[in-house]
Amino acid sequence: NAGVTQTPKFQVLKTGQSMTLQCAQDMNHEYMSWYRQDPGMGLRLIHYSVGAGITDQGEVPNGYNVSRSTTEDFPLRLLSAAPSQTSVYFCASSPITGTSGSKTQYFGPGTRLLVL
Amino acid sequence: AQSVTQLDSHVSVSEGTPVLLRCNYSSSYSPSLFWYVQHPNKGLQLLLKYTSAATLVKGINGFEAEFKKSETSFHLTKPSAHMSDAAEYFCVVSLFTGGGNKLTFGTGTQLKVEL
Repeated sequence: NAGVTQTPKFQVLKTGQSMTLQCAQDMNHEYMSWYRQDPGMGLRLIHYSVGAGITDQGEVPNGYNVSRSTTEDFPLRLLSAAPSQTSVYFCASSPITGTSGSKTQYFGPGTRLLVL
Repeated sequence: AQSVTQLDSHVSVSEGTPVLLRCNYSSSYSPSLFWYVQHPNKGLQLLLKYTSAATLVKGINGFEAEFKKSETSFHLTKPSAHMSDAAEYFCVVSLFTGGGNKLTFGTGTQLKVEL
């Protein structure tokens, strides 16, 4: 049981380039999400998904696309990278509770992205 | 709407002395609250969570937190700090939104432990 895995661990991009950050989980969790972490701002939600074929925007979705074709995978796409997207990106997953918000979210190890 | 305020961006303690990391929350509903820890260049690890059961919650590594509804607080404490506790700590409130748990993070408290 690997939990939540993310690739790559580190990436350097030039402005305007595109790339996909990969996220996978092997816990059969319905809910998956992407956050970005910037100094002094905590983690902010980019996009999330409550199941295959269902995605929605979070707090800071601009410049990012997601899709969810399987339960296990939730890739994050940067279509045209900008320096403002330099950040650490975390993927997380959790089961869906149905009535309460108490289920723990499990986080991946993160991807450090530098956009020049 | 929900929000979290971590009252101190940096806390410094001596090894063996108590730790107090302060967190206040705002939520329209009965909240679920969490503390996560992040060691340098690592991911986030769950320390403890409050889910409307006992108001005093015990977590890993000797940490605990008390949910005080009247004060809208969820402060994290530890009786005796260890060097390995040096890390960044995040207070988090969770909102169930019809199928998923949306987390709102505080801005973090950097804990420094000195000899």
